[in-house]
Amino acid sequence: QVQLVESGGGVVQPGRSLRLSCAGSGFTFSDYAIYWVRQAPGKGLEWLAVISYDGANKNDADSVRGRFTISRENSKNTVYLQMNSPRTDDTAVYYCARDRCSGGHCQLNSFDIWGQGTVVTVSS
Amino acid sequence: DIQMTQSPSTLSASVGDRVTIACRASQDISSWLAWYQQKPGKAPKLLMYKASTLESGVPSRFSGSGSGTEFTLTISSLQPDDFATYYCQQYNSYPVTFGPGTKVDIK
Repeated sequence: QVQLVESGGGVVQPGRSLRLSCAGSGFTFSDYAIYWVRQAPGKGLEWLAVISYDGANKNDADSVRGRFTISRENSKNTVYLQMNSPRTDDTAVYYCARDRCSGGHCQLNSFDIWGQGTVVTVSS
Repeated sequence: DIQMTQSPSTLSASVGDRVTIACRASQDISSWLAWYQQKPGKAPKLLMYKASTLESGVPSRFSGSGSGTEFTLTISSLQPDDFATYYCQQYNSYPVTFGPGTKVDIK
């Protein structure tokens, strides 16, 4: 069964750090770019970051640049989102999602597999 | 950044109705548009990509059209399972951006 599972969410104080994980299974994880997307309570979807299949290329949104870092360990079938200096407006459900294209030839694509999400609450 | 807008923001409809949701991009994105369905407390689900290509397993009552800046998602005959929020997404360029969503609820 092809799936992504997020973990690592919880309550974190503003300015502290948190690391989210996204574990893939049921597919060749190292063939796919992975994205992070979040959804604040009652709000829409916001793309945060992407990492290429091999980790060589990354891109991120202005709203998290310099604070959040995406990385991956293909040996563990896992992508991470390191959240440094979170703010109260980072409170959201965080989803990871898979690019629907596999391989090094792929450009930006739609997201075909999503995890169930992990809740992050930034509060003192 | 490419801005995405959707209309209407909310749509009240009955089972069996034909439903159309519009999505507009602030600049030409060719056909690099996807549609997602999201139900409360659940992750989004990919319905359509490249504007009009149905994702595997998605019922054929869903269809997409458009290119450039104007797109539509149509549900030919609304079913009880279709009451949800629908988002369009452009993936022409970074940053990837989503529309604000259209909630389809029961009339």
